[in-house]
Amino acid sequence: EVQLVESGGGLVQPGRSLRLSCAASGFTLDDYAMHWVRQAPGKGLEWVSGISWNSGSIGYADSVKGRFTISRDNAKNSLYLQMNSLRAEDTALYYCAKDGGYSAYGPFTDWGQGTLVTVSS
Amino acid sequence: SSELTQDPAVSVALGQTVRITCQGDSLRSYYASWYQQKPGQAPVLVIYGKNNRPSGIPDRFSGSSSGNTASLTITGAQAEDEADYYCNSRDSSGNHLVFGGGAKLTVL
Repeated sequence: EVQLVESGGGLVQPGRSLRLSCAASGFTLDDYAMHWVRQAPGKGLEWVSGISWNSGSIGYADSVKGRFTISRDNAKNSLYLQMNSLRAEDTALYYCAKDGGYSAYGPFTDWGQGTLVTVSS
Repeated sequence: SSELTQDPAVSVALGQTVRITCQGDSLRSYYASWYQQKPGQAPVLVIYGKNNRPSGIPDRFSGSSSGNTASLTITGAQAEDEADYYCNSRDSSGNHLVFGGGAKLTVL
């Protein structure tokens, strides 16, 4: 059974940094691309970033490009999202999602339960 | 603003058929995938590719596409199908992914 467990969320002041982690189990991580998707309170889904199986292809939404960095450690079965220069509009539930293949073009076949990031002074 | 457009609210009588649509230029080149999200839960993939259902998704869910419009059809809607539905595909550049704004389905 695929399991994705996010961690690292919390309350952070504007301009500060936070690092999210996603622990993957139940499948071979290095066979699949992975993504971060977020959902602001009461709002829709927003794709944040995706990374191919070998980190050779990485993409970011325009809203986070230059501030967020996605990475993965296949040996540790883990996905990460380094978030810098956080803004109030980054407040959201952040989901880790498994891609259906090795490139990062979707679909998102499995999702974690999310970790909440709140940016506020 | 999203490059994929969905009607924000859709309703269907119990047992009837409903179509939820998603419009965008990129859909002329790429298939959409569809996700169901119930309150307080993570999204669940229901349709991907031309018309593929993941294991465990009832066959009353189907997908289709024509021109710049992708559609999710629920044939014989059940009370448990009441949820938010999101489409997803690549954007017009082909390099990024984008979601539609979501459609809230009410089963009457």
